Amino acid sequence: AQTVTQSQPEMSVQEAETVTLSCTYDTSESDYYLFWYKQPPSRQMILVIRQEAYKQQNATENRFSVNFQKAAKSFSLKISDSQLGDAAMYFCAYISMDSNYQLIWGAGTKLIIKP
Amino acid sequence: GAVVSQHPSWVICKSGTSVKIECRSLDFQATTMFWYRQFPKQSLMLMATSNEGSKATYEQGVEKDKFLINHASLTLSTLTVTSAHPEDSSFYICSARGGAFYQPQHFGDGTRLSIL
Repeated sequence: AQTVTQSQPEMSVQEAETVTLSCTYDTSESDYYLFWYKQPPSRQMILVIRQEAYKQQNATENRFSVNFQKAAKSFSLKISDSQLGDAAMYFCAYISMDSNYQLIWGAGTKLIIKP
Repeated sequence: GAVVSQHPSWVICKSGTSVKIECRSLDFQATTMFWYRQFPKQSLMLMATSNEGSKATYEQGVEKDKFLINHASLTLSTLTVTSAHPEDSSFYICSARGGAFYQPQHFGDGTRLSIL
């Protein structure tokens, strides 16, 4: 079965510093898509960044970037210049034909920002 | 863009009543909508997937007679929890997708359902 693993239940970072959240996944597909969503205390799920597996270039979105290592099946999220508003649960998710076109979610990482 | 509105945000009702939750895509056509349930400190659990004009596809273990889903238009899906009981208390989140499977899902704000 397809799985998404987030090995860090909780991470903390000093404001303005950089933090990396890890995510690994298991698949036999070559064509798939990966996402990072954040869920702040308000509990709305917000799309942070998206990566197509066929693209070698790592996706970036302002202070958010990913390190996509296809061979290692790794999809980490780097947050630069951390801000208090970045405090949230971060979920990694995968979708492909072998997931029946449904998002497979990781367990989440709680990110704490220290002022 | 890609705004999804979910109402109500919080509902408290007595055991045995039915509760309807609405999910609307405000600025795009949602060909597919999803309903999730989230337990405290856990990830999202997919309950069902619905396509406009079709019957919803329920995940294993989800009672389709208890959780009625209607996706009558490209901008509206509803989840009705029928004869709700305290064990149905949870956080329910809808999402909508406007295109192919690889397009992002856009989420509503969620509904906190408390059954007394």
